[in-house]
Amino acid sequence: EAAVTQSPRNKVTVTGGNVTLSCRQTNSHNYMYWYRQDTGHGLRLIHYSYGAGNLQIGDVPDGYKATRTTQEDFFLLLELASPSQTSLYFCASSDRQTQDTQYFGPGTRLLVL
Amino acid sequence: AQRVTQVQSTGSSQWGEVTLDCSYETSEYSYLILWYRQLFSGEMVFLIYQPSFDTQNQRSGHYSVVFQKSFKSISLVISASQPEDSGTYFCALSEAHIGGIRASGSWQLIFGSGTQLTVMP
Repeated sequence: EAAVTQSPRNKVTVTGGNVTLSCRQTNSHNYMYWYRQDTGHGLRLIHYSYGAGNLQIGDVPDGYKATRTTQEDFFLLLELASPSQTSLYFCASSDRQTQDTQYFGPGTRLLVL
Repeated sequence: AQRVTQVQSTGSSQWGEVTLDCSYETSEYSYLILWYRQLFSGEMVFLIYQPSFDTQNQRSGHYSVVFQKSFKSISLVISASQPEDSGTYFCALSEAHIGGIRASGSWQLIFGSGTQLTVMP
């Protein structure tokens, strides 16, 4: 089973603050994803990547940047955080042949005051 | 509009069989439906998936699905439910999945808003 880790697990910042969420997967998966989860919306895709240096836009990309530095590492950047970005953020990964079976990290709870 | 719809919550008694319903909208002929469970810690755990091209209902451990393709409906069935099965269950739609290989450029999961299950002792 894929090992996906996220850091930090909890983060508090102020409006306008700069936040970086980190994700690392150690199963050599090609695909990585960032989701946010909010009550009543399930999980919504922010950005995703199919390899180092690649970035694709998801369904709710506004206010977020992402960067895939290596096959293992995928970062989500909030350069001017807003209270509307208070959420639970999940990273996930999958491999080329079974990319529908995504393995999730433990999540990061972000609070923007 | 919601493309994947789930009821908000449901409950069961220990040892009972639980059925969690999911309906979806798609114009694709080939797709997958996946089920995930979210633990109280927030962790998301993959449970089972059903390919649209497979007429056989999938099973995995004490999870199974009842797939009604013509109704665009699928149910997750949990047999002999236990209190530790409590949590939130998500249904997700994955489109353009052809013969086990996803078509290029189409590989997003569309999640429902989840069903919160409580299994009482």
